[in-house]
Amino acid sequence: AQKVTQAQTEISVVEKEDVTLDCVYETRDTTYYLFWYKQPPSGELVFLIRRNSFDEQNEISGRYSWNFQKSTSSFNFTITASQVVDSAVYFCALSEARGGSEKLVFGKGTKLTVNP
Amino acid sequence: DTEVTQTPKHLVMGMTNKKSLKCEQHMGHRAMYWYKQKAKKPPELMFVYSYEKLSINESVPSRFSPECPNSSLLNLHLHALQPEDSALYLCASSQEGLARGNTIYFGEGSWLTVV
Repeated sequence: AQKVTQAQTEISVVEKEDVTLDCVYETRDTTYYLFWYKQPPSGELVFLIRRNSFDEQNEISGRYSWNFQKSTSSFNFTITASQVVDSAVYFCALSEARGGSEKLVFGKGTKLTVNP
Repeated sequence: DTEVTQTPKHLVMGMTNKKSLKCEQHMGHRAMYWYKQKAKKPPELMFVYSYEKLSINESVPSRFSPECPNSSLLNLHLHALQPEDSALYLCASSQEGLARGNTIYFGEGSWLTVV
C-alpha cells in the first residue's frame, strides 16, 4: 500500500535560516511520482515539483532544492535563506502509475512558520 | 496565479439549501477532480472526471452531486448538507490524469460553511 510520512508536524524558524522538510514514502510499484505542494493560509495548493521514480537527480529552483533518494525512500525539501512568505503548510504526495490509479496520496503536511 | 478558477471563494449555506460550487480551467486538461479538505488535514479525493465522464466516486454521499458540462467546467451541486461537511473544497485538473504521469494543478478552493 502507498503511504507518505511527514514526521515534522510543525517547524518554526527565523528568517534567513535554512530549513529542511522531510518526506518518506512507501510503495510497491517501481514506477511512481512524487510531488511537493505548498498551501498558504489562502487555501490554494501550489504545485512546486514533480519527480518520477527513474530520475534521482536532485533539483534546485532558486532558494528551493529537493533531494530524492530511492535507497532511503525519501524526497526531502530544503528552503535556503527562508523568508516570511515561505510560511505555509507543505505537503508531500505520491502517485503510482500502475493500475490506472488517480489517487494522489498525501502526507499529513508540515506547517512551516518563518518569523521575521 | 492558478489557472484553475473556483467560485465562490466563500459560501455559507443552511442545511436545507441547494447551492453549487463551480470550477473552470482553460489549459485543455481532460481530467478534473474534486477534493475535500478539513482543517489541519490533507486533501481527500472525492470525484474524478476523465474526458467529461465520471470515472471515480470515492464513496461520496449523494448529497454531493458532481457535474461536468464540458471539458473546461466542473460543478459540485450541494443539497441537504450537514455541518460536518464544512470544509475547503478544491478543484483540480491534469492533462490526462495521474495514471499517465501528469501533474495535478489545484484551484484556490471554495470555503464552505454549513449552518
